[in-house]
Amino acid sequence: NAGVMQNPRHLVRRRGQEARLRCSPMKGHSHVYWYRQLPEEGLKFMVYLQKENIIDESGMPKERFSAEFPKEGPSILRIQQVVRGDSAAYFCASSPRGTETYEQYFGPGTRLTVT
Amino acid sequence: RKEVEQDPGPFNVPEGATVAFNCTYSNSASQSFFWYRQDCRKEPKLLMSVYSSGNEDGRFTAQLNRASQYISLLIRDSKLSDSATYLCVVFPNAGNMLTFGGGTRLMVKP
Repeated sequence: NAGVMQNPRHLVRRRGQEARLRCSPMKGHSHVYWYRQLPEEGLKFMVYLQKENIIDESGMPKERFSAEFPKEGPSILRIQQVVRGDSAAYFCASSPRGTETYEQYFGPGTRLTVT
Repeated sequence: RKEVEQDPGPFNVPEGATVAFNCTYSNSASQSFFWYRQDCRKEPKLLMSVYSSGNEDGRFTAQLNRASQYISLLIRDSKLSDSATYLCVVFPNAGNMLTFGGGTRLMVKP
């Protein structure tokens, strides 16, 4: 059973470009969470999605950031017009159920560097 | 005040030493508590859950004090492979996200 998969593992973008980060949850998991880890800081929750629904986006910046989890395919975290402050590791986690469980399994992360 | 606070360290200890980390949380309604381990540039991995009665897993012992809103992790007989950042994690009573502390860095030296 493959774990949570994220790609790309490393992404370099120039300021103003768009970044798309992908997350495929573990088989059988239908709940996805995105977290961001800035250099030398802890992980911060961004958004929680189920298939085709955003359940909680309280941690998402109001502008430039969006997330989706379509019926088919991976979850996508999209950052438009990236700035240097967006440079961070973005981790995706999945769980088999929703708020009843805290068992979230993390992917290897995508390291975004904005030049 | 941060929701979950940890001493960032680093804690530099020799092999075989016993080391303890502490963590405080601000939300008294928090439901579940964990210690995660994160190696450099890797994803966090669950080390152990923390129960009110305290729990032990080999060389690792975790304890929870709800009255003081305080969680601890004790590592006995430290190994070189224990070198990592240890993250205190809280799952709130309401909400969907894990709330992470900033982590405590441990370096075990030969």
